[in-house]
Amino acid sequence: GENVEQHPSTLSVQEGDSAVIKCTYSDSASNYFPWYKQELGKRPQLIIDIRSNVGEKKDQRIAVTLNKTAKHFSLHITETQPEDSAVYFCAATGSARQLTFGSGTQLTVLP
Amino acid sequence: EPEVTQTPSHQVTQMGQEVILRCVPISNHLYFYWYRQILGQKVEFLVSFYNNEISEKSEIFDDQFSVERPDGSNFTLKIRSTKLEDSAMYFCASSEWLYSNQPQHFGDGTRLSIL
Repeated sequence: GENVEQHPSTLSVQEGDSAVIKCTYSDSASNYFPWYKQELGKRPQLIIDIRSNVGEKKDQRIAVTLNKTAKHFSLHITETQPEDSAVYFCAATGSARQLTFGSGTQLTVLP
Repeated sequence: EPEVTQTPSHQVTQMGQEVILRCVPISNHLYFYWYRQILGQKVEFLVSFYNNEISEKSEIFDDQFSVERPDGSNFTLKIRSTKLEDSAMYFCASSEWLYSNQPQHFGDGTRLSIL
């Protein structure tokens, strides 16, 4: 089955700086890669996703890149703000539809 | 914006008892899922459900677990004889289309505490 590795497990940045979180996946059949933000005690909230026919997608301060050959994808947050502080999970899925999640990154944006 | 709703928000149960967790998926969605998250860990897939039957299930989803869509709106997860290790947050999710991967939208979860 699919295995998703996520790094780093914790990340602290100064407000206004950029944050990058990286994930690798094992199943070359995976074709959909969402990112979820989870605040303490709350639901995972979809923030951006990318499909395997696209190399990059951007939504305001958030962007995701995908390298199918290397089987890795990354989340980029620019101009970070304190409200960006949360746990971020990457995930991957293919024909099986079930999401396989990474282990999460605790992002702390320091004011 | 339509949301997935889950009840109860918190369930406390004695070990060995049966629990039923309830979910109302987004109304035009076709695929339904249950995931669980043990405190401080990642979200893990349990089961997916389409057209009134299980589509996929993980190793976690053993004979103690079952799912049902008892009517046109509810989707339930039943744990027959709960164990201490079943303590976790259980999330229901739903997605829209059949023929391609679509975003899965999560409910707020049910925190299950087994005593």
